[in-house]
Amino acid sequence: AQSVTQLGSHVSVSEGALVLLRCNYSSSVPPYLFWYVQYPNQGLQLLLKYTSAATLVKGINGFEAEFKKSETSFHLTKPSAPMSDAAEYFCAVSYNTDKLIFGTGTRLQVFP
Amino acid sequence: GAVVSQHPSRVICKSGTSVKIECRSLDFQATTMFWYRQFPKQSLMLMATSNEGSKATYEQGVEKDKFLINHASLTLSTLTVTSAHPEDSSFYICSAQKGQGNTDTQYFGPGTRLTVL
Repeated sequence: AQSVTQLGSHVSVSEGALVLLRCNYSSSVPPYLFWYVQYPNQGLQLLLKYTSAATLVKGINGFEAEFKKSETSFHLTKPSAPMSDAAEYFCAVSYNTDKLIFGTGTRLQVFP
Repeated sequence: GAVVSQHPSRVICKSGTSVKIECRSLDFQATTMFWYRQFPKQSLMLMATSNEGSKATYEQGVEKDKFLINHASLTLSTLTVTSAHPEDSSFYICSAQKGQGNTDTQYFGPGTRLTVL
């Protein structure tokens, strides 16, 4: 079955440190890939998406992700995280339909 | 931008009553709208997909008679939870898509927290 796995339900970093949130997909067919952020009691906001163009995708708020077919990965990174980046992050995939399949999410904590 | 609103943001109801949640695309026409359910500290689970003017397509395990979806216009979809029970308590989130392609971005509403007493 097609799925997406987010390694690490919680990630903690110091303010200003590098952020790395992991996402792997399982499919022989390259999917379309998305990263969303969710702040408490709010809906999801799209950070970036990969749609088979450039493998390095730059998103909003300084985030970027790289599609690596050989590793079936689409990890999200940011060089320096401010406190305001603390939130829940979801990786999602879609294939030949409109449906999004979400990972279980990673809660990012940023400590001062 | 593409803004999606939901109303109400929170609702508390008694067991056995019905609750209607509205999802509106404020500045664009949404060919397709999606309804998700999110349990505490869990991911979003797609409940159904609705296209304007046609019947919604429900995911496996979602009761269509319990979760009534109406997509009456290109800017409004409603989800009605009928005869709600405590186990229906959850965070319901809608999203709207301009087109029908799988590369089209889904824009999410802020969610509705339903509590059934």
